[in-house]
Amino acid sequence: KFVESGGGLVQPGGSQRLSCEGSGFEFSNYNINWVRQAPGKGPEWVAYISSRTNSIYYADSVKGRFIISRDNSKNSLYLQMNNVRSEDTAVYYCATLGVWGQGTMVTVSS
Amino acid sequence: IQMTQSPSSLSASVGDRLTITCRASQSIDTSVNWYQQKPGKAPKLLIYAASNLQTGVPSRFSGSGSGTDFTLTISSLQPEDFATYYCHQSFSISWTFGQGTKVE
Repeated sequence: KFVESGGGLVQPGGSQRLSCEGSGFEFSNYNINWVRQAPGKGPEWVAYISSRTNSIYYADSVKGRFIISRDNSKNSLYLQMNNVRSEDTAVYYCATLGVWGQGTMVTVSS
Repeated sequence: IQMTQSPSSLSASVGDRLTITCRASQSIDTSVNWYQQKPGKAPKLLIYAASNLQTGVPSRFSGSGSGTDFTLTISSLQPEDFATYYCHQSFSISWTFGQGTKVE
């Protein structure tokens, strides 16, 4: 399973770092994604990182502002969110196809 | 890749047979998955690779399709099936989801 943390209230233009810890499986063997879901909306893919960090991709809406990374020695995935906007307000999930965490809520507001 | 899902909502009763459709903007082989989401919960995988039932999912759920057109069918709606359903493509690394179908 995945357990996300690090959400909260952030001011526009500010930064926030989300974490996701995996357990119960060989974390280092899996490509993992961040997916977000704004209130009342469908899921939106945010970023992808391959198992060994050799491939990284971002949605256009966050490219240049967000950074995905992982530390396989700690079974952990991260999302560094910079220069956040109101439209980044959402529940953020770490996810593989069949396994999603419970999510962590990020609210961007002054 | 855009995923167009219909209907956006539907009203149903226990025991009904339901069909939800999803159309991809380009051919994506069988790289379509279906999720169920209940309020306040993460999406739950029901069907992967268009027609494969995820472990532990009841057999009343089934999926079909290939190329651009896909279908999720619930053969006999149960009370616990009232939820929102999303199609999802994993053909591209940049996943996309349908707009959702709320079953009420």
